[in-house]
Amino acid sequence: AQRVTQPEKLLSVFKGAPVELKCNYSYSGSPELFWYVQYSRQRLQLLLRHISRESIKGFTADLNKGETSFHLKKPFAQEEDSAMYYCALRDSGNTPLVFGKGTRLSVIA
Amino acid sequence: KAGVTQTPRYLIKTRGQQVTLSCSPISGHRSVSWYQQTPGQGLQFLFEYFSETQRNKGNFPGRFSGRQFSNSRSEMNVSTLELGDSALYLCASSYWTGAGELFFGEGSRLTVL
Repeated sequence: AQRVTQPEKLLSVFKGAPVELKCNYSYSGSPELFWYVQYSRQRLQLLLRHISRESIKGFTADLNKGETSFHLKKPFAQEEDSAMYYCALRDSGNTPLVFGKGTRLSVIA
Repeated sequence: KAGVTQTPRYLIKTRGQQVTLSCSPISGHRSVSWYQQTPGQGLQFLFEYFSETQRNKGNFPGRFSGRQFSNSRSEMNVSTLELGDSALYLCASSYWTGAGELFFGEGSRLTVL
């Protein structure tokens, strides 16, 4: 069974500091991995996916199959990055998107 | 393009009652997924529908059920409500089952007293 683990419930960083939100997964195949974000009073929305290998709002995430990780990184945190971040996984078939329990990022001015 | 619409936004029920929540997907989207969101468990998958057929089901008791109509609108029903059913119920739509990007609604917040 697929499983997504986000070890930190809350992560507080100062503005301008680097950010790394951890995500580990357990799945033996080749999963699709995503990061979703929920800003205060907004809907949950897709931030980025590993397939596109893009940088969104300065965030990047690299899939490390050896360590089964998909950590989200940003070199310089901004106050507007404060939000709830969810890592999610879908296997290669038509299976549901499975979410981790989320990490609340708080960027302190 | 209008987003995913969920109704009602808030509701309060008592134990033993039943509730029906509605979700209208983005126009053109044929897949609808439901999730239960709680502070302790995060987002837990309930079910996914595509073209009026349930394609996937999460690990929830039979009190939780759903359906999808020919216009892709979906409803979920919870019978014999329990205190632990208090949660935010999120609906998400996508073009097809297995699509990477889900578009979420604002949710229906259910409180069971």
